[in-house]
Amino acid sequence: EDKVVQSPLSLVVHEGDTVTLNCSYEVTNFRSLLWYKQEKKAPTFLFMLTSSGIEKKSGRLSSILDKKELSSILNITATQTGDSAIYLCAVETNRDDKIIFGKGTRLHILP
Amino acid sequence: GAGVSQSPSNKVTEKGKDVELRCDPISGHTALYWYRQSLGQGLEFLIYFQGNSAPDKSGLPSDRFSAERTGGSVSTLTIQRTQQEDSAVYLCAIPRGAGYNEQFFGPGTRLTVL
Repeated sequence: EDKVVQSPLSLVVHEGDTVTLNCSYEVTNFRSLLWYKQEKKAPTFLFMLTSSGIEKKSGRLSSILDKKELSSILNITATQTGDSAIYLCAVETNRDDKIIFGKGTRLHILP
Repeated sequence: GAGVSQSPSNKVTEKGKDVELRCDPISGHTALYWYRQSLGQGLEFLIYFQGNSAPDKSGLPSDRFSAERTGGSVSTLTIQRTQQEDSAVYLCAIPRGAGYNEQFFGPGTRLTVL
């Protein structure tokens, strides 16, 4: 059974700290791994990682895909209160465009 | 997002009533998903449509939930005899398009069952 597991489930840190969120997966026909940030209702897209693009960076956020370990990390440096959200990891497969989501990491940044 | 619209944006209903949620994706996407997110929970898969294949209904939590997709475009999620635990944000999603940063999720419908 395909699955995506995120850790930790929740995390509380102080503003300015650096955090690392983890995502591991077991899927057949892996195509890509995606990270989303969810603050209110709909998640917003952050990164997509594939075999040809295993490292992405945008401002204080960066992500790496480890295809050997079947995992990915999302790093946020110099955290701000606006980074407080649920961070979702999802894996796309080549089988019927199926996407499997992890349960998310709830990140709370204290001022 | 520009790729998927949902209606209504918010819905408040009384326990026991039926509700219908609508998802209207841009044309050309054969796959469509429904998810829900309850307070404090992760994203929960409900149902998946792919072209003319039988939908994957494995995530529907009870037989009070049903969904259909007419003409390969608009989809409706129906919840009969709503219960308070049905309160959640219901999200419709389509696979990303040609650009990987194309928005994937609809804006969601927040359902509150009193």
